[in-house]
Amino acid sequence: DSGVTQTPKHLITATGQRVTLRCSPRSGDLSVYWYQQSLDQGLQFLIQYYNGEERAKGNILERFSAQQFPDLHSELNLSSLELGDSALYFCASSVAQGGEQYFGPGTRLTVT
Amino acid sequence: AQSVTQLGSHVSVSEGALVLLRCNYSSSVPPYLFWYVQYPNQGLQLLLKYTTGATLVKGINGFEAEFKKSETSFHLTKPSAHMSDAAEYFCAVTWAQAGTALIFGKGTTLSVSS
Repeated sequence: DSGVTQTPKHLITATGQRVTLRCSPRSGDLSVYWYQQSLDQGLQFLIQYYNGEERAKGNILERFSAQQFPDLHSELNLSSLELGDSALYFCASSVAQGGEQYFGPGTRLTVT
Repeated sequence: AQSVTQLGSHVSVSEGALVLLRCNYSSSVPPYLFWYVQYPNQGLQLLLKYTTGATLVKGINGFEAEFKKSETSFHLTKPSAHMSDAAEYFCAVTWAQAGTALIFGKGTTLSVSS
């Protein structure tokens, strides 16, 4: 158990819908990262927050957004969902920028 | 562009045999290097990391990796494979100067036969 929690574990929704994925980092970790894992693209970095502020963006679509709250949990919002958004979404946390990242169990999103 | 290459998408070994999973990175600056393992339907677990100092690093479950700057490599090894080692392994890189997001290789699936 990494100490990073993600909910829900599975999510099935229809095209065009909006979903919210939630992540709670390990106790004491200030950085939260979101990654997408798909068969064709592999593991790709989406976005990073550090102590409530956005710090880095990767291959995140404009339809996706995220935020980190004062209690340091983070939410990833995915809207206008397309079939191609079906993937595993992982959250990771680290104590500081540059430190090793610990991953949550992931949320498997299926868009039908 | 900075990248990570894992040679061999699938490696098969017999139980008790040497495990060697290859990872090369492209960069002109020293990276931080990581190996993660992913078991079916689970998240990624950190096996080991290299940041600075000793180039041979030991991780969990008997795995180790050696950072070779001249070869831009960070291959993962284990002297004797166990059935429980069957999983997908990811090499990842980050550079402190460039931010902290991990860049992952495409992964290598390790199969262990009895």
